[in-house]
Amino acid sequence: AQSVTQPDIHITVSEGASLELRCNYSYGATPYLFWYVQSPGQGLQLLLKYFSGDTLVQGIKGFEAEFKRSQSSFNLRKPSVHWSDAAEYFCAVGVNNDMRFGAGTRLTVKP
Amino acid sequence: DGGITQSPKYLFRKEGQNVTLSCEQNLNHDAMYWYRQDPGQGLRLIYYSQIVNDFQKGDIAEGYSVSREKKESFPLTVTSAQKNPTAFYLCASSPTQVELEKLFFGSGTQLSVL
Repeated sequence: AQSVTQPDIHITVSEGASLELRCNYSYGATPYLFWYVQSPGQGLQLLLKYFSGDTLVQGIKGFEAEFKRSQSSFNLRKPSVHWSDAAEYFCAVGVNNDMRFGAGTRLTVKP
Repeated sequence: DGGITQSPKYLFRKEGQNVTLSCEQNLNHDAMYWYRQDPGQGLRLIYYSQIVNDFQKGDIAEGYSVSREKKESFPLTVTSAQKNPTAFYLCASSPTQVELEKLFFGSGTQLSVL
């Protein structure tokens, strides 16, 4: 079945530590890939996107993501997490003019 | 500034009552969407509209209805047939349905049942 999987429901990291949020998808073709961030009670904000080309994409707020075709993955990374990064993060895939979202990963940042 | 306005921020529904969530955009986008968000389930598409006077069901349209009489407005009605309406509802828009990278979200409406 076609799906977007975020294996980690909740992740806690210390401020200043590195971060990696996982995302896997199962679609026949390489879809468009996105990461969004959501603060509590707010809408979603686009962090970055991948359509084609360089498999390492840079986004806003110091985030980057790497597309790995062989693993059907699009993991989000940040070298040093700030307290303001605490939020929920959604991976999404765009296929056939439709956007499909993962279940989200909630990030907690410890001081 | 252009954006999407959802109102109200919080809404309470009594048993058997229909309620309408408002979504207004001034981005001049043709396509508009309604998503339902439940904890641990991500976003699920309720309805979408590619153009004025046209709309299509998404994955979970049962118990909901929409209209698209104006380009800037896409209200969602949660009917009494929706037995579990408590959720966070997000409206979004994009210039056209194919321009997914330009999907823009409102700040949501939290609907709860009294």
